[in-house]
Amino acid sequence: EAQVTQNPRYLITVTGKKLTVTCSQNMNHEYMSWYRQDPGLGLRQIYYSMNVEVTDKGDVPEGYKVSRKEKRNFPLILESPSPNQTSLYFCASSLSGFETQYFGPGTRLLVL
Amino acid sequence: SQQGEEDPQALSIQEGENATMNCSYKTSINNLQWYRQNSGRGLVHLILIRSNEREKHSGRLRVTLDTSKKSSSLLITASRAADTASYFCATDANTDKLIFGTGTRLQVFP
Repeated sequence: EAQVTQNPRYLITVTGKKLTVTCSQNMNHEYMSWYRQDPGLGLRQIYYSMNVEVTDKGDVPEGYKVSRKEKRNFPLILESPSPNQTSLYFCASSLSGFETQYFGPGTRLLVL
Repeated sequence: SQQGEEDPQALSIQEGENATMNCSYKTSINNLQWYRQNSGRGLVHLILIRSNEREKHSGRLRVTLDTSKKSSSLLITASRAADTASYFCATDANTDKLIFGTGTRLQVFP
């Protein structure tokens, strides 16, 4: 089954404790992206990757890192999480940036 | 940066009625897409309409695009309680990424 998976689905952590949210897709897509969703603000892009070893900042990259060592994986790293990073995070993949995007189920993060 | 803006922000209707949501955007586009999100879940792609298309259908969904007005509408006909969700438009603004609006929350009462 074609899908995007994210782990963990729910995470409660404390300020400053590094964490990684994994994302994997099995559709051989070139393009992958991370979004955060906050009430009243819609989806905002954090980082995106057009191909392996190619990543670029989205609209809200501060406080986040990503890597794209393999085509299928695109982890999101929070080196020192802060409470303002409490949000619902989505990973997505597609053939290209402006084609249909396939979303993961989301990761709900609470930073205390 | 907000490219797409949906209107209304919220919509409540009875089952069987039609639901219409609108999306306005600011710059030229390659395509416009509509997505659906059930509460707290991942977005699901509904339909993509390219800039040279004016109307597209998929089942009970009908999407129109007016590039001169920089607007699109999503019509759901004969709505069902299961259509209750948030609906987002997304545009590419001639870039290599999608920009999403803030969505329309649709509530369909049985």
